[in-house]
Amino acid sequence: AQSVTQPDIHITVSEGASLELRCNYSYGATPYLFWYVQSPGQGLQLLLKYFSGDTLVQGIKGFEAEFKRSQSSFNLRKPSVHWSDAAEYFCAVAPGGEYGNKLVFGAGTILRVKS
Amino acid sequence: DVKVTQSSRYLVKRTGEKVFLECVQDMDHENMFWYRQDPGLGLRLIYFSYDVKMKEKGDIPEGYSVSREKKERFSLILESASTNQTSMYLCASTAGGRANEQFFGPGTRLTVL
Repeated sequence: AQSVTQPDIHITVSEGASLELRCNYSYGATPYLFWYVQSPGQGLQLLLKYFSGDTLVQGIKGFEAEFKRSQSSFNLRKPSVHWSDAAEYFCAVAPGGEYGNKLVFGAGTILRVKS
Repeated sequence: DVKVTQSSRYLVKRTGEKVFLECVQDMDHENMFWYRQDPGLGLRLIYFSYDVKMKEKGDIPEGYSVSREKKERFSLILESASTNQTSMYLCASTAGGRANEQFFGPGTRLTVL
């Protein structure tokens, strides 16, 4: 079965520092991969997605992610974190098949930003 | 601006009550989803619908049912609420296609006493 693993439950970074959130997936074919962000009290918002082409994808709010097939990873990065980036981040995969746009989510990573 | 709305942000119910959670989208999307969000477990799919009057079970359908009588509205029903259904419930919608973004509502935090 398809699965998504986010190894870090919590991460704390200083404002202005760089950020990398890890995501590993278990999936046989070419995955469709997504990163969503959930700010406190809000629904989820799409940051970026990958399904083909350049393995480094750019998203909103200065985020980027790199797809590495050999490592089954899709890590999210930001060069300089802002206090407003404090939120919960979810990696997800669309397995495809009969119901192509169902999503399987990871457990999430809570980002704390210290000033 | 696209929008998915949910009928309540907070809801408190008693064990055994029948509970209705409503979700409405204004984007004419074919596909709608109900998720449950619990700390450390991420989002888990309860039910989804690809068309009016059509429904499919997700990963954790037990104790829930759904209704989709109109394209824009997707309801989640707890026939007899239990304390282990205390959770955050998120509704989402998307146009057809595997690469398409799911748009989420703000969520309903349900507490069952």
